[in-house]
Amino acid sequence: DIQMTQSPSFLSASVGDRVTINCKASQNINRYLNWYQQKLGEAPKLLIYNANSLQTGIPSRFSGSGSGTDFTLTISSLQPEDVATYFCLQHNSWPYTFGAGTKLELK
Amino acid sequence: EVQLVESGGGLVQPGRSMKLSCAASGFTFSSFPMAWVRQAPTKGLEWVATISTSGGSTYYRDSVKGRFTISRDNAKSTLYLQMNSLRSEDTATYYCTREGRLDYWGQGVMVTVSS
Repeated sequence: DIQMTQSPSFLSASVGDRVTINCKASQNINRYLNWYQQKLGEAPKLLIYNANSLQTGIPSRFSGSGSGTDFTLTISSLQPEDVATYFCLQHNSWPYTFGAGTKLELK
Repeated sequence: EVQLVESGGGLVQPGRSMKLSCAASGFTFSSFPMAWVRQAPTKGLEWVATISTSGGSTYYRDSVKGRFTISRDNAKSTLYLQMNSLRSEDTATYYCTREGRLDYWGQGVMVTVSS
């Protein structure tokens, strides 16, 4: 199975900060990497697909980069509504695997 | 608007069976592979199974292989997950999601396996 190592596990930042979250795959997954936001009690929401494509309706402050094994989600200017847990997902090969999550809080 | 609505969850004893359903609308259901993903309480996400558009191909994670069966009825735009020989470690919220991009997700249905 492909292991997805996500960092950091917890992140505390202020409104307006630039925030980055990383995912590292244990082997090459090309660009088959998605990023999700999950708020308490809700289903995951797709933010970025295929490493760097912004899902329809998602604010442009969210962006993704990377390919191969190293990927980054960036929030250019943190907003209060961005408080959530963020997950990466590799869908290059089955079994698809998720990162353990990054809990983002406001400082 | 794409909608996925799961149903069929609840409390079940270990070793028993349960069948989940996911009613799809707002898109051409028969054109998309579909998947189930689960999330144990306060834990991360775990892909469970995927089914092709026709239902002719299915894929499972090892821990559910031989116990769970994913199926679909394209005429009813509905996805299913038949879960047999349930274990305590199957306790989770189960989400159906549209494969390919795993873009749209249902609200989830809770399955609790406990005596």
